Amino acid sequence: EADIYQTPRYLVIGTGKKITLECSQTMGHDKMYWYQQDPGMELHLIHYSYGVNSTEKGDLSSESTVSRIRTEHFPLTLESARPSHTSQYLCASSDPGQGHTIYFGEGSWLTVV
Amino acid sequence: DQQVKQNSPSLSVQEGRISILNCDYTNSMFDYFLWYKKYPAEGPTFLISISSIKDKNEDGRFTVFLNKSAKHLSLHIVPSQPGDSAVYFCAATPGGTSYGKLTFGQGTILTVHP
Repeated sequence: EADIYQTPRYLVIGTGKKITLECSQTMGHDKMYWYQQDPGMELHLIHYSYGVNSTEKGDLSSESTVSRIRTEHFPLTLESARPSHTSQYLCASSDPGQGHTIYFGEGSWLTVV
Repeated sequence: DQQVKQNSPSLSVQEGRISILNCDYTNSMFDYFLWYKKYPAEGPTFLISISSIKDKNEDGRFTVFLNKSAKHLSLHIVPSQPGDSAVYFCAATPGGTSYGKLTFGQGTILTVHP
């Protein structure tokens, strides 16, 4: 059972607003990730972190930013949302020392109008 | 360049029969392969994984086979149940420090009919 939580699950906001998607895990995993999935498409890695104060951009370019101040917390921020940011955002975590499973949260559906 | 490919967009199977989902990859640096099940409004649920040093891994009704020379893997579900109906994603990741950076296939929609 995965202990990784995302809020909000669903969000509709206006263009130009700043939003932060929250992700927390209670498994003590060092590695955390953000993936983006447009409807009917594959998931793409947009950010990852190997531990506190470590953040890197993923394979898919994204205008979002992330921070990792605490091990359990990996929030994603959009400074000025646009309709092109409408998508599902999925947070994940893993710890190879605890096996090779990569756990995902329930996802945050963002709609920008 | 699609490094992980699931060439069948959909698969329809009768309850009780075997479901076989296929996946091909091109990157020789991939060290681990994972299968996930996903519903549209939810996050992916981990099903089973396999290391590149193995050719088979089994967990209950799920078995994953890896043919490294052909760069091909498959997920077998036996017996299939209506509750298995979902989108199935194949994913691959390098090992070492890059472990966890998943590359996903496009997904296969599995429908299991009662």
